[in-house]
Amino acid sequence: GAVVSQHPSRVICKSGTSVKIECRSLDFQATTMFWYRQFPKQSLMLMATSNEGSKATYEQGVEKDKFLINHASLTLSTLTVTSAHPEDSSFYICSAMGVLVPPTYNEQFFGPGTRLTVL
Amino acid sequence: AQSVTQPDIHITVSEGASLELRCNYSYGATPYLFWYVQSPGQGLQLLLKYFSGDTLVQGIKGFEAEFKRSQSSFNLRKPSVHWSDAAEYFCAVGFFRGTSYGKLTFGQGTILTVHP
Repeated sequence: GAVVSQHPSRVICKSGTSVKIECRSLDFQATTMFWYRQFPKQSLMLMATSNEGSKATYEQGVEKDKFLINHASLTLSTLTVTSAHPEDSSFYICSAMGVLVPPTYNEQFFGPGTRLTVL
Repeated sequence: AQSVTQPDIHITVSEGASLELRCNYSYGATPYLFWYVQSPGQGLQLLLKYFSGDTLVQGIKGFEAEFKRSQSSFNLRKPSVHWSDAAEYFCAVGFFRGTSYGKLTFGQGTILTVHP
């Protein structure tokens, strides 16, 4: 149980285009989803927290208009990188936190990640 | 603000040897602590977590970690390493208040190499 999927796993796009990444909780309802960015050989940096039905909370330094996050249902959150540029190339990972029930309460389940390359 | 430090960027051990990965945290309240493992190009898998209670926590794959409040540490250990344990390991502290409920702050990660 507690599986999170991401689609696509890899995407290559041209500079100036927009890319949408989907994050789905397959077997549980995710009240909260998180989006992380990971540069090569570096740690995960939280970009934003999204709660179902409300606006995402972005971390300091993350451009809201550049990284659009939508959490329209309890099983789906999307990250759209608008007008992507080469510096947006990175590994994007989502995670989901479900209903606060033991033993998995307060635990995030991570997706496999999406490798974005902007040419 | 909370922070996590993993002092060792890269550790190399021989298969069968014991392992300890260090983690120090800075947090104003009672910490929620996690250890994750990441294989190349993959997402993260939870090894174990500490919320309260027994300070020695058992996890999956034979890993354990000990919470030491006096040292602000949560070191990960394994008595005998297997070649399949080669991966990157992340320590994290969780924040469970307000609109950022569940937010994790990660350490820099420790890359584990296992020699046969």
